[in-house]
Amino acid sequence: GAVVSQHPSWVICKSGTSVKIECRSLDFQATTMFWYRQFPKQSLMLMATSNEGSKATYEQGVEKDKFLINHASLTLSTLTVTSAHPEDSSFYICSARDLDGLNQPQHFGDGTRLSIL
Amino acid sequence: GESVGLHLPTLSVQEGDNSIINCAYSNSASDYFIWYKQESGKGPQFIIDIRSNMDKRQGQRVTVLLNKTVKHLSLQIAATQPGDSAVYFCAETPSSYKLIFGSGTRLLVRP
Repeated sequence: GAVVSQHPSWVICKSGTSVKIECRSLDFQATTMFWYRQFPKQSLMLMATSNEGSKATYEQGVEKDKFLINHASLTLSTLTVTSAHPEDSSFYICSARDLDGLNQPQHFGDGTRLSIL
Repeated sequence: GESVGLHLPTLSVQEGDNSIINCAYSNSASDYFIWYKQESGKGPQFIIDIRSNMDKRQGQRVTVLLNKTVKHLSLQIAATQPGDSAVYFCAETPSSYKLIFGSGTRLLVRP
């Protein structure tokens, strides 16, 4: 149980393109999903918290107009990297927590490797 | 390009030996802690968790120890196997929903 699916797993695109990444909880409902970014040999850095039916909460230093988050249902959150540039190349990972998930582990997707040329 | 000067600490152990991975957390208000395992190109995988009202919790081949006095967490892996080779992260929850990751330790298991 507690499977989180991310799509696509890998994307290469030209500078200036907008890229959408999907995060789905397959066998549970999640009012809250999280988006992380991970650079090589570094830890996961929380970018934003995605709340179903309301606006996302962004961490300090993360541009909300650059990284658009939509959480339209209890099983799907999307992250759109708008007008992507090479410095946005990274490993983006989502996680989700079950509805009654206070002090329960977050379950992670397998990440999306984004490469901007 | 690759980041310069950033290297994960590495623990190298012989197959069959026990491994101990340490983590210092930062927020004394954190009340829930998790250890994750991350294999190359994949997302973190839950290993074991512990709440702040406990100082030890055991799972299958793994034990987590929590010392709140010095804000220290450790993960012990018994009889380490080649499949245990990965990067291990501790994570803390300073608030009811946010998860903050530590810097990670790479575990290499020598055959």
